[in-house]
Amino acid sequence: GQGVEQPDNLMSVEGTFARVNCTYSTSGFNGLSWYQQREGHAPVFLSYVVLDGLKDSGHFSTFLSRSNGYSYLLLTELQIKDSASYLCAVTDSNYQLIWGSGTKLIIKP
Amino acid sequence: GPKVLQIPSHQIIDMGQMVTLNCDPVSNHLYFYWYKQILGQQMEFLVNFYNGKVMEKSKLFKDQFSVERPDGSYFTLKIQPTALEDSAVYFCASSPTGDEISNERLFFGHGTKLSVL
Repeated sequence: GQGVEQPDNLMSVEGTFARVNCTYSTSGFNGLSWYQQREGHAPVFLSYVVLDGLKDSGHFSTFLSRSNGYSYLLLTELQIKDSASYLCAVTDSNYQLIWGSGTKLIIKP
Repeated sequence: GPKVLQIPSHQIIDMGQMVTLNCDPVSNHLYFYWYKQILGQQMEFLVNFYNGKVMEKSKLFKDQFSVERPDGSYFTLKIQPTALEDSAVYFCASSPTGDEISNERLFFGHGTKLSVL
């Protein structure tokens, strides 16, 4: 069946970087989105990619490899406020969003 | 930026009662969605709605669920009757896309936490 997989947790240090991985297996592919969700808050759109390669958006960058069913979200110069869950969602051939369960990123001082 | 408002933020009801969750989407958006998220689990699609009609719904969208958006009012999710397993956070989302369901970015509300006792 279809699935989007993410590690449950990730820990990193303030001022460094964190890479949040996402692997997927879906019926068709029409893009992959990343959202940030703080506890008790709405998911907030970060990035959308549909072509292979690295998309640099400053603090957040996104990489996609369609042949490997793989993406990552890269956060650089981490701040404590980047602590949140990061959700990966794939748009399948029916234009349905298939969500991962999210990776909880904890930033230590 | 554009905001989606959800009312109430928390609703506690007894099993078997009816509940209506309200969503005020972004004003010029055309597509509306409901998602269900149980604590610590993934966001799960329930239904999307366009031009007064349900476009797609998932297996989670049981017969007890219904959605509507009377002109100029809230986009609502009604559950009647509620069951214990309906306890979750329900997120409303909207997107501006006009012609077809696509991968347009979604704008989410803060969610309504539904507790069924």
